Amino acid sequence: QVQLVQSGAEVKKPGASVKVSCKASGYTFTSYYMHWVRQAPGQGLEWMGIINPDGGSTIYAQKFQRRVTLTRDTSTSTVSMDLTSLRSEDTAMYYCIRDRSPGAFWSGNFDYWGQGTLVTVSS
Amino acid sequence: DIQMTQSPSSLSASVGDRVTITCRASQSISTYLNWYQQKPGKAPKLLIYAASSLQSGVPSRFSGSGSGTDFTLTISSLQPEDFAIYYCQQSYSTPYTFGQGTKLEIK
Repeated sequence: QVQLVQSGAEVKKPGASVKVSCKASGYTFTSYYMHWVRQAPGQGLEWMGIINPDGGSTIYAQKFQRRVTLTRDTSTSTVSMDLTSLRSEDTAMYYCIRDRSPGAFWSGNFDYWGQGTLVTVSS
Repeated sequence: DIQMTQSPSSLSASVGDRVTITCRASQSISTYLNWYQQKPGKAPKLLIYAASSLQSGVPSRFSGSGSGTDFTLTISSLQPEDFAIYYCQQSYSTPYTFGQGTKLEIK
């Protein structure tokens, strides 16, 4: 069965960086694009970006363009999200999500979600 | 960015009721509209994609309709497990954006 298992909760100080990882299993890792979405406490959902696990190409939301980097490691079927220059507003649950459609084009529909990683930014 | 607006923001209903939630896009998005259900402490779950297609494993009491800028999610007969927050999301163009959510509560 498809599983996305994310790394554990993080507590960071303002200005620091954080790396969240997401290990995929139960399907062909390189066949499905992966997205990252975050959710601040008690708030709505915010899309951050997408990565092609096959070639590594990425698209980022402009809001995060200068601070986020998505990478993948095909040898371990893992995607990672690096977020730099953290501020209190970045306190949120971060989710990795598999795109629903396999192949060369993604659909923008999110079918399998990781369990989430809580990142807390506090001095 | 495409703005997504849901209504109502919250809704009280009883088991067995028929419920409709609406979502409006700030520009035409054809049928690139998806619906998710989120329960407390859990990740969202895909219910409906492409405006009206039921995701595998989702009960048939959930249905979606609409195109262009106006969309609806309907639950034909509410069950106790349906009380949750519902989000719409456009997949027409990046950055993908979500509605603010509709909290469905027990009356």
